[in-house]
Amino acid sequence: AQSVAQPEDQVNVAEGNPLTVKCTYSVSGNPYLFWYVQYPNRGLQFLLKYITGDNLVKGSYGFEAEFNKSQTSFHLKKPSALVSDSALYFCAVRDHNPNQGGKLIFGQGTELSVKP
Amino acid sequence: GAGVSQTPSNKVTEKGKYVELRCDPISGHTALYWYRQSLGQGPEFLIYFQGTGAADDSGLPNDRFFAVRPEGSVSTLKIQRTERGDSAVYLCASSLERTAYNEQFFGPGTRLTVL
Repeated sequence: AQSVAQPEDQVNVAEGNPLTVKCTYSVSGNPYLFWYVQYPNRGLQFLLKYITGDNLVKGSYGFEAEFNKSQTSFHLKKPSALVSDSALYFCAVRDHNPNQGGKLIFGQGTELSVKP
Repeated sequence: GAGVSQTPSNKVTEKGKYVELRCDPISGHTALYWYRQSLGQGPEFLIYFQGTGAADDSGLPNDRFFAVRPEGSVSTLKIQRTERGDSAVYLCASSLERTAYNEQFFGPGTRLTVL
């Protein structure tokens, strides 16, 4: 069964410091991996995705993520955090299996808090 | 351009009542998804449409839940005999086509409260 784990419920970072939000996955075959961000009372916004190719993926708002197949991880990173980055972050996975349709399997989310 | 829209934004109902939640996807997006997000959890898949047909309804929790997309655009999620456990935010998403690498675009959600 496919699954995604975000081991940290909350991450606290000082503004200007680098941030990492962790994600590990379990799928059969090669994964398609996504990061979404959710601001209060708003829908999920797409940040970036890994399909194939370079293990370092760059996305919106200065975020990037590193795909590591041997560790089955897809951690989200940003070199310098902003207070406005404070939000709920979700990692998600889709399988290549066409029988799975297009559904996303989400982690439970990580609350990122960036303090001035 | 316009994103995914959902109406109503909030719905309060009483246990046992019937509710309908509407999703208007991005124009031209053939794939449409419904998810349910409970407090403190990630979204959970409910149903996936490709065009007018439900290609995967494996996430619907029971037969009280039903969804339609009669013209391949707007979709309605219908819940009969609502229960307090149905209280959640219901999210709709659309994507350009069914290929797995296309990102899904989410609406703001409908917050359903069953009293």
